Amino acid sequence: AQSVTQLDSHVSVSEGTPVLLRCNYSSSYSPSLFWYVQHPNKGLQLLLKYTSAATLVKGINGFEAEFKKSETSFHLTKPSAHMSDAAEYFCVVSGSNSGYALNFGKGTSLLVTP
Amino acid sequence: EAGVAQSPRYKIIEKRQSVAFWCNPISGHATLYWYQQILGQGPKLLIQFQNNGVVDDSQLPKDRFSAERLKGVDSTLKIQPAKLEDSAVYLCASRLEQGSSYNEQFFGPGTRLTVL
Repeated sequence: AQSVTQLDSHVSVSEGTPVLLRCNYSSSYSPSLFWYVQHPNKGLQLLLKYTSAATLVKGINGFEAEFKKSETSFHLTKPSAHMSDAAEYFCVVSGSNSGYALNFGKGTSLLVTP
Repeated sequence: EAGVAQSPRYKIIEKRQSVAFWCNPISGHATLYWYQQILGQGPKLLIQFQNNGVVDDSQLPKDRFSAERLKGVDSTLKIQPAKLEDSAVYLCASRLEQGSSYNEQFFGPGTRLTVL
């Protein structure tokens, strides 16, 4: 079975400071990992994806994530938060053994203060 | 390229009523998924189709939920009868044929269901 654990349900940062959203995964197979963002009353948007290529993955809007197999982690970072980054973020795992269905974490709500 | 289309966008019904949702995936995408997202939670897979066949419906409450994809394109998800706990956003997603190197799914805007 594949699953992800998002270690923080809420994260609050000041505008202009770094963002760190933590995610650990569990998988018996080589997983594909994703981060999705969901703004209030908006659809899910793919931020970035890891699929066994480079371990440091760059996404949209300045976000990036690093796949660390030894730590089974896939943390999402951004050097400088912007007010528009306030949203719900989901860490997601997928694999061929599950028909490539997505297993979502419970989400981390990011609050950005002025 | 047109995205995944869903309708209706919003639906309010009373408990024990029936409701149906429609999804039109991206053209050429063989795999279609229905997810349920309860407020404050991540989406949860309900059912997965490969063309018009069911790949996984292990998490679908089959006593009240049903889904079909008769011609391997559009899909409908039905709830009969609805319960209060069915209030959620129902998301449809599609993916290109198996073997895609990065397994990306494309999501529709969702249908927000409120059961009173």
